[in-house]
Amino acid sequence: GESVGLHLPTLSVQEGDNSIINCAYSNSASDYFIWYKQESGKGPQFIIDIRSNMDKRQGQRVTVLLNKTVKHLSLQIAATQPGDSAVYFCAEKKSNFGNEKLTFGTGTRLTIIP
Amino acid sequence: IAGITQAPTSQILAAGRRMTLRCTQDMRHNAMYWYRQDLGLGLRLIHYSNTAGTTGKGEVPDGYSVSRANTDDFPLTLASAVPSQTSVYFCASSPGTANTEAFFGQGTRLTVV
Repeated sequence: GESVGLHLPTLSVQEGDNSIINCAYSNSASDYFIWYKQESGKGPQFIIDIRSNMDKRQGQRVTVLLNKTVKHLSLQIAATQPGDSAVYFCAEKKSNFGNEKLTFGTGTRLTIIP
Repeated sequence: IAGITQAPTSQILAAGRRMTLRCTQDMRHNAMYWYRQDLGLGLRLIHYSNTAGTTGKGEVPDGYSVSRANTDDFPLTLASAVPSQTSVYFCASSPGTANTEAFFGQGTRLTVV
């Protein structure tokens, strides 16, 4: 079936270390895979996306990797900071007009240890 | 208004009552979404709208209805609330198609008793 899910519900990382958050997906027809960050008491915020025909995309301190062979998506955060503590969601969508369905996975809580 | 606004912020509702959660955006985005967020279950899509005049069902549409009479507004209605609809509800909007960035409201915390 169509689903986006995560391997681990929680992750703790020492401040300054790199973190990797993983996500598995099952819908190979998705055009985009997206990462969102949700801080306590707020709505999710867009971090970065990757098109399905790419395997890597970098942003500021973040890198998303897509492995279509095993249907796996990861978000790497470099040199973590206390402000990175949040719940991270992967999401997927098609890109064609008239099909804007955007579905989310369960989420991973990242805690940065000072 | 700047961005996307939800109302009310929180609500306690008696079971069986009808309730409409409001969502308004001023970004002229085509796509709009309603999600519910429950502990351990992440964000689940209730309904969405590709553009004004169209709506679609998400993963958990039962017990909810939506309308999209214009670009800016996307209200979510619970016709007869039940305790299992206790949740935090998020509305979001997106320019659509290849633009994957969705902008979320602050959420509505709904408790059905």
